[in-house]
Amino acid sequence: GAVVSQHPSRVICKSGTSVKIECRSLDFQATTMFWYRQFPKQSLMLMATSNEGSKATYEQGVEKDKFLINHASLTLSTLTVTSAHPEDSSFYICSASASVYNEQFFGPGTRLTVL
Amino acid sequence: GENVEQHPSTLSVQEGDSAVIKCTYSDSASNYFPWYKQELGKRPQLIIDIRSNVGEKKDQRIAVTLNKTAKHFSLHITETQPEDSAVYFCAASISDYKLSFGAGTTVTVRA
Repeated sequence: GAVVSQHPSRVICKSGTSVKIECRSLDFQATTMFWYRQFPKQSLMLMATSNEGSKATYEQGVEKDKFLINHASLTLSTLTVTSAHPEDSSFYICSASASVYNEQFFGPGTRLTVL
Repeated sequence: GENVEQHPSTLSVQEGDSAVIKCTYSDSASNYFPWYKQELGKRPQLIIDIRSNVGEKKDQRIAVTLNKTAKHFSLHITETQPEDSAVYFCAASISDYKLSFGAGTTVTVRA
């Protein structure tokens, strides 16, 4: 299957700082990327959908000014958590697909801890 | 939007026995139903999927059934092994787009 990477795998930051997470499709061009958040022992919750070259579509209840998503190329999407707070601590997972109606391939996730 | 319910939340089985996980969905337009296995701290791995034009699909020890009328689908794992222990998620979507996940089932296979 296709390979999706995320960087960093783990990050610890102080409250109030911003953190950027990268999601890359390594062997295919991803026209669509999805960002999920997963709290401990809970399910994956879709945060937003991004299409290359256009603005991301955020799910209800997700603050677009706090979770900045950029999908500048067909192989890279970034999620920036701005002014992070302890309640933002979570496992963030991206997925990528070659088109809107193709299988999603998941990245390995990024564990964010905000102190 | 789509609402997916998954049961049970935890499942403990003896090695060699079968495990069954059930999900229901709300949006009759959903036509793609994947199942994922997630180990602790790892990414979800697609283990099997089914589309609405098929009622059943099997891949070795894993099978999935779909009842479109009742809007429910199930995962069946036969001859369970310790390495099957993980969290399993069902999901539903319209044409692979925007997956809605169930709450997950923690499966423990007792040796």
